[in-house]
Amino acid sequence: GAVVSQHPSRVICKSGTSVKIECRSLDFQATTMFWYRQFPKQSLMLMATSNEGSKATYEQGVEKDKFLINHASLTLSTLTVTSAHPEDSSFYICSTGVRGGSTDTQYFGPGTRLTVL
Amino acid sequence: SQQGEEDPQALSIQEGENATMNCSYKTSINNLQWYRQNSGRGLVHLILIRSNEREKHSGRLRVTLDTSKKSSSLLITASRAADTASYFCATDFGGFQKLVFGTGTRLLVSP
Repeated sequence: GAVVSQHPSRVICKSGTSVKIECRSLDFQATTMFWYRQFPKQSLMLMATSNEGSKATYEQGVEKDKFLINHASLTLSTLTVTSAHPEDSSFYICSTGVRGGSTDTQYFGPGTRLTVL
Repeated sequence: SQQGEEDPQALSIQEGENATMNCSYKTSINNLQWYRQNSGRGLVHLILIRSNEREKHSGRLRVTLDTSKKSSSLLITASRAADTASYFCATDFGGFQKLVFGTGTRLLVSP
């Protein structure tokens, strides 16, 4: 099946720094990408939806100025956590969709573990 | 919150036993999916059941869907230690591929 990669898989940073997480679709064009956050022993919560070439749509309660999403190409979306704080430590997972497709064409990346010291 | 609920939150069984986990959701859906997540890893898609289906099988997995009760169940038969993981249901709330995940069930299968 389709492959989605994320980079880095783990990142540790100091409080106040910014961290960029990449999500790539390796063998298909992802017109839509979704970013989820998962705290320990909790479920995945959708943060935002990004469509190639347009602004991301953020879910209620997610700060768009803190979590910058760029979907500049059909194979790459990036999530930048700006001025990270310890409470931003979490597992971030992306998934991709195909325009016109149903949810059964959505593919998940392996996740990025962010630890903010 | 539109998030679905799963029960039990945690389930501990012996190898060879069956494991059943339940999911309840709040809105009308097009389909419901089940995923597995090993500790600290990404999601593995297990099975999708559409709103007009009542039961679906895939290997040792059996999923049922009751849209009148807004609930689904996942049955894993003859469980193995390798089935130890967290299991999540997900529904397509909001349309256009947005998924809402349930709270998850942590399954521990002991040898």
